[in-house]
Amino acid sequence: AQKITQTQPGMFVQEKEAVTLDCTYDTSDPSYGLFWYKQPSSGEMIFLIYQGSYDQQNATEGRYSLNFQKARKSANLVISASQLGDSAMYFCAMRGGAGNNRKLIWGLGTSLAVNP
Amino acid sequence: EAGVAQSPRYKIIEKRQSVAFWCNPISGHATLYWYQQILGQGPKLLIQFQNNGVVDDSQLPKDRFSAERLKGVDSTLKIQPAKLEDSAVYLCASSLMIGRNEQFFGPGTRLTVL
Repeated sequence: AQKITQTQPGMFVQEKEAVTLDCTYDTSDPSYGLFWYKQPSSGEMIFLIYQGSYDQQNATEGRYSLNFQKARKSANLVISASQLGDSAMYFCAMRGGAGNNRKLIWGLGTSLAVNP
Repeated sequence: EAGVAQSPRYKIIEKRQSVAFWCNPISGHATLYWYQQILGQGPKLLIQFQNNGVVDDSQLPKDRFSAERLKGVDSTLKIQPAKLEDSAVYLCASSLMIGRNEQFFGPGTRLTVL
């Protein structure tokens, strides 16, 4: 069965420092995609970054990078130079399978607090 | 490009009442999703549409929840009658269904059932 595990319910980081949010996944599909979303207190889910299972390089989007270790089935999100506005819930999700029913499997999320 | 629109943003009802939520996806997005997110949890997929057809409604409580996507564009999710445990944020998302298929979310509707 497909599963996403986020083991850190809450994290703290000092402003301007880097932080890593952990995500491990389980799937038997050879082709899959991994996503990170940010959910501020306003409630909207914001797409941050994507990593495909066949991508050779780790994905990067501005201050966000994904540390993809396929053999260990981990897809950790690294946020560099943290800002106060990064305080939010962060969800890791995986899309697997083929065809029309390519729904996302979600982790329970990690709450990040950035301290001034 | 306009994002996913949802209304209302907030709704408070009493148990056993009915409620409806509306979603308009990003133009051109064939796939539309409704999620339920209970406080402290990740989103739970309720129903997935591809154009105006249902792809997955395995986690939709069909005795009280219904959804439709007439004409394959906007969608309505209804709860009738509501229970206390339906208090949650209802998120609508849409995607192109090609390529990496990332989902884009609306602002959500926060439902409180008293």
